[in-house]
Amino acid sequence: DIQMTQSPASLSASLEEIVTITCQASQDIGNWLAWYQQKPGKSPQLLIYGATSLADGVPSRFSGSRSGTQYSLKISRLQVEDPGIYYCLQGYSAPNTFGAGTKLELK
Amino acid sequence: EVQLVESGGGLVQPGRSLKLSCAASGFTFSDYNMAWVRQAPKKGLEWVATISYDGSSTYYRDSVKGRFTISRDNAKSTLYLQMDSLRSEDTATYYCARRDYYYSAYFDYWGQGVMVTVSS
Repeated sequence: DIQMTQSPASLSASLEEIVTITCQASQDIGNWLAWYQQKPGKSPQLLIYGATSLADGVPSRFSGSRSGTQYSLKISRLQVEDPGIYYCLQGYSAPNTFGAGTKLELK
Repeated sequence: EVQLVESGGGLVQPGRSLKLSCAASGFTFSDYNMAWVRQAPKKGLEWVATISYDGSSTYYRDSVKGRFTISRDNAKSTLYLQMDSLRSEDTATYYCARRDYYYSAYFDYWGQGVMVTVSS
C-alpha cells in the first residue's frame, strides 16, 4: 500500500496568516492527490483534486502544489471558518490511502 | 444538489451482522462508481469498498474481504454495505461517498455518516 505521510500533525495560526500543510507519498503517484477539510461532527469536503485543481465552490485562498512526491496545501489568508482537520488522499492506486490528518486551529 | 443519506447503523455484538444503506439524490446515480469510507472514533479516514456504476465490479480493503459486501440498486438510487462477522475494530462512522466521474480516483461528495458500534 502507498503510505501518505502528512505534516504537521497540528498547527495553530492567526487570522490572515499563510498556512501550509504537506503530504509525502511513499512512491510516485503523479498528480493523483486530493485534499479534504473536515469540521467537527461533519463529513469531509473536497478542496483540491489532481494535486492543483480547485473543487467547485472552494474559495480561491486554497491552493495545491506538487514537487516530486511531496504535495502541499496552502491557505493564503486564514479565515475564521478554516479551522478543522485536513487530510490528503492518494487516488493513484488501490487501496486509496489517506494521510493521518492535520488539525488546524486559530491562535 | 447532491445528497447522500446513510442509515442502518447502531450497536451490534461481535460476530453479528448489520446492513447499511445510502439513499442518493440530486444526480444520476447509475452513472457513478460509489464507495464506503470509515472513520474510527478520533481517528483518520479509511477506504472500505468501491462498486462500479453498474455493480459489475467490486473492490475491498483486505481487512474486510470476505466479511463485507458492497452492492447497489440503481432503480432505487441506493447503495448498500452488508457487514458480517463484525469485529470491535470495525467500530467507526461509515460514510457513503461518490467517486468522481472521470477518473474514479477521488471522493467528491460524502454523506453525513452513520455510526456502527461493535461491542458486547
